[in-house]
Amino acid sequence: SAVISQKPSRDICQRGTSLTIQCQVDSQVTMMFWYRQQPGQSLTLIATANQGSEATYESGFVIDKFPISRPNLTFSTLTVSNMSPEDSSIYLCSVDLAASPDTQYFGPGTRLTVL
Amino acid sequence: GQNIDQPTEMTATEGAIVQINCTYQTSGFNGLFWYQQHAGEAPTFLSYNVLDGLEEKGRFSSFLSRSKGYSYLLLKELQMKDSASYLCAVTYNNNDMRFGAGTRLTVKP
Repeated sequence: SAVISQKPSRDICQRGTSLTIQCQVDSQVTMMFWYRQQPGQSLTLIATANQGSEATYESGFVIDKFPISRPNLTFSTLTVSNMSPEDSSIYLCSVDLAASPDTQYFGPGTRLTVL
Repeated sequence: GQNIDQPTEMTATEGAIVQINCTYQTSGFNGLFWYQQHAGEAPTFLSYNVLDGLEEKGRFSSFLSRSKGYSYLLLKELQMKDSASYLCAVTYNNNDMRFGAGTRLTVKP
């Protein structure tokens, strides 16, 4: 497994502002992912964070709204831009250790509330 | 699409056995995972099935039938701490992992 940390753990933000969430892993990993989990819902994949290249976004998610950085194999950031109350959610990063099976391990999540 | 269906909620009694079912679209299937998620916490890995049959791990077992697009998670000797959401997740050949909506299990004394 891997130890995954996220900052901040929670935040309350004003409409129209942006928040950057950090994800740090204690070992080098090839695959990192960002998910959103809205209240009472399951996880929805936002994008795959690719090291050294642009992230791969899922349908319904765009780079202008959710810019992602992946400067190295242990770190990634997700920015939630121009926030609205609909962005209130838990944001989780996960890693795939590329072992067999391709199990994903999740960070503790960032609970975002937009007023 | 890659719909993954599981019941929304289940209730069971402490000490009993409960089975949580999951059905999924079989095209491009790669593997199936079960995760446990306590309220306010991140999902944690429980089990993985890639071949047909039953995988047993202590009080938890997971079953897979690839031809039927069907899995279940079996929890035995239920404890109060087993109250959580249980997420069925499937990986497909495009490397995507898709999650079901989760089954919220409540264990009562």
